[in-house]
Amino acid sequence: GQQLNQSPQSMFIQEGEDVSMNCTSSSIFNTWLWYKQDPGEGPVLLIALYKAGELTSNGRLTAQFGITRKDSFLNISASIPSDVGIYFCAGPYTGTASKLTFGTGTRLQVTL
Amino acid sequence: NAGVTQTPKFQVLKTGQSMTLQCAQDMNHNSMYWYRQDPGMGLRLIYYSASEGTTDKGEVPNGYNVSRLNKREFSLRLESAAPSQTSVYFCASSERPIYGYTFGSGTRLTVV
Repeated sequence: GQQLNQSPQSMFIQEGEDVSMNCTSSSIFNTWLWYKQDPGEGPVLLIALYKAGELTSNGRLTAQFGITRKDSFLNISASIPSDVGIYFCAGPYTGTASKLTFGTGTRLQVTL
Repeated sequence: NAGVTQTPKFQVLKTGQSMTLQCAQDMNHNSMYWYRQDPGMGLRLIYYSASEGTTDKGEVPNGYNVSRLNKREFSLRLESAAPSQTSVYFCASSERPIYGYTFGSGTRLTVV
């Protein structure tokens, strides 16, 4: 099936640092979604992107829809302990808008 | 503000036992989904229901069945549980997937 590759797989950072992660696909996407999953919970939608080149912020989070439409990026500025979790990218399966495919996730851990 | 409710939250089964995971949403969404989450594998789609009265297979349907009981409820059944089905199961719903899903908090299933 379709695959979304996320990197890095995991990262340890210190509180206050900025974080960058990305998501790539071999197929073109018309929508990119970014989710965060807190430990023991279901994923929650952070940001949705609908246009190539689009840059959207949600507080300290900023996501970008890549120009090639095959990638997307998520940045977190000035990380805090509650940023801990798994970050997933997602997009609609090719040829259908009725379901999403998810990336393998980036696990973020923050040290004080 | 219930959103998507999954029951049970935890379950331990013996190999060969059957069980049904329940999911209900109160947002009047048309589409509902079942995903499983395994370490390093991200979220993989088991089955989905794009609208009441329809169900379709996802990436990993083998060993599972689903029922869209009404617009609110979408259940997942394991007829004969196997250790390979040990996982965290998430139900989600959506009005339109490109706007994102709302996830439940998950069912943690262990098959011994």
